[in-house]
Amino acid sequence: GAVVSQHPSWVICKSGTSVKIECRSLDFQATTMFWYRQFPKQSLMLMATSNEGSKATYEQGVEKDKFLINHASLTLSTLTVTSAHPEDSSFYICSVDGDQETQYFGPGTRLLVL
Amino acid sequence: AQSVTQLGSHVSVSEGALVLLRCNYSSSVPPYLFWYVQYPNQGLQLLLKYTSAATLVKGINGFEAEFKKSETSFHLTKPSAHMSDAAEYFCAVSDPGANSKLTFGKGITLSVRP
Repeated sequence: GAVVSQHPSWVICKSGTSVKIECRSLDFQATTMFWYRQFPKQSLMLMATSNEGSKATYEQGVEKDKFLINHASLTLSTLTVTSAHPEDSSFYICSVDGDQETQYFGPGTRLLVL
Repeated sequence: AQSVTQLGSHVSVSEGALVLLRCNYSSSVPPYLFWYVQYPNQGLQLLLKYTSAATLVKGINGFEAEFKKSETSFHLTKPSAHMSDAAEYFCAVSDPGANSKLTFGKGITLSVRP
């Protein structure tokens, strides 16, 4: 498998500010990573597919200018929530596309926008 | 298009009892199937996966699942529940060769009574 870390594990910010979340693949070179958000008591919703060295592919309904994804290396993808608002408060989880087309997930980042 | 159905939102069993969590899928191609577990405020951990090899798949923590094509099912079982098994369980399906994108079920909460 792949070991995936996320930083920070939780963050509180003021409305209108931007927040960057890092997703690192610690032992696997990942050309593809995925970003999800999860609301309380709900399933995971895929936001975008992050491809190393190229633009991310966003799911329908996800604002690409609001959720900026950068995948500059085989071990790091970042999600920046720009001009965050309270409705952006959620649990954000990344995953790595590992061996045998299996996704391995990070521990998640809890975002609270005040 | 692929889909996953996890009937019910909550299953409660006694410690030591059989655990059975149901998952039915819909896919136009032979799928890959996964079960993930999520503990509170954490990411997802892979329990087991089916990738077209043996239909009975054994995973971690004593869990196993059987792929039944005729029933389009991939139910998760464990002979004897532990208190530590209490968590959220997600079934997911992917289309092999199609960038590993996962479609998740809505999840089932497993409670274990002492």
